[in-house]
Amino acid sequence: EDQVTQSPEALRLQEGESSSLNCSYTVSGLRGLFWYRQDPGKGPEFLFTLYSAGEEKEKERLKATLTKKESFLHITAPKPEDSATYLCAVIQGGSEKLVFGKGTKLTVNP
Amino acid sequence: DAGVIQSPRHEVTEMGQEVTLRCKPISGHNSLFWYRQTMMRGLELLIYFNNNVPIDDSGMPEDRFSAKMPNASFSTLKIQPSEPRDSAVYFCASTPGTMASTQYFGPGTRLTVL
Repeated sequence: EDQVTQSPEALRLQEGESSSLNCSYTVSGLRGLFWYRQDPGKGPEFLFTLYSAGEEKEKERLKATLTKKESFLHITAPKPEDSATYLCAVIQGGSEKLVFGKGTKLTVNP
Repeated sequence: DAGVIQSPRHEVTEMGQEVTLRCKPISGHNSLFWYRQTMMRGLELLIYFNNNVPIDDSGMPEDRFSAKMPNASFSTLKIQPSEPRDSAVYFCASTPGTMASTQYFGPGTRLTVL
């Protein structure tokens, strides 16, 4: 059973068209939820860490939010350079393992 | 800072051959992680070290895989013998703290086993 589920698997947007990516998790005792960006042929690049429900973090056109069951990555007025795969990962209480979702591939067309 | 360094970036080998992947973590980081990424299974943790000591290797798929960290600035992941199903991108990551700290990834090694 997947502990981290990301949706949609793929998303196509027009430049300027805002949207949200979802990450739902089933782990208990969440110690942290991480968002990464991965470009083709490169390693994941850290974006945000969220630790408790209600927490929000922003970086440029990206805003991450966290509830007790899921996290959203909101993309406001995206640009083509925001095209990438966005990965969500969690660490649960009692474990030291970072568990990743399979990612959402975002394509922003000019 | 040069970031996490991995070599080689690409490796093509034949089934049955030994493969060694190398990683240099960011200076000052005391935890190191090896991951494998495939289309089917996504990004999976294979093993991680803290202060050069293997802490959890439960993700290592089988005895054909082994990892070492002889010092704070170098780690290897070895596959012997390699099989076609080992084809994947292997990433190394490091962090200055425990698992709950942000991990910084290297560029990866794309392994193809024919």
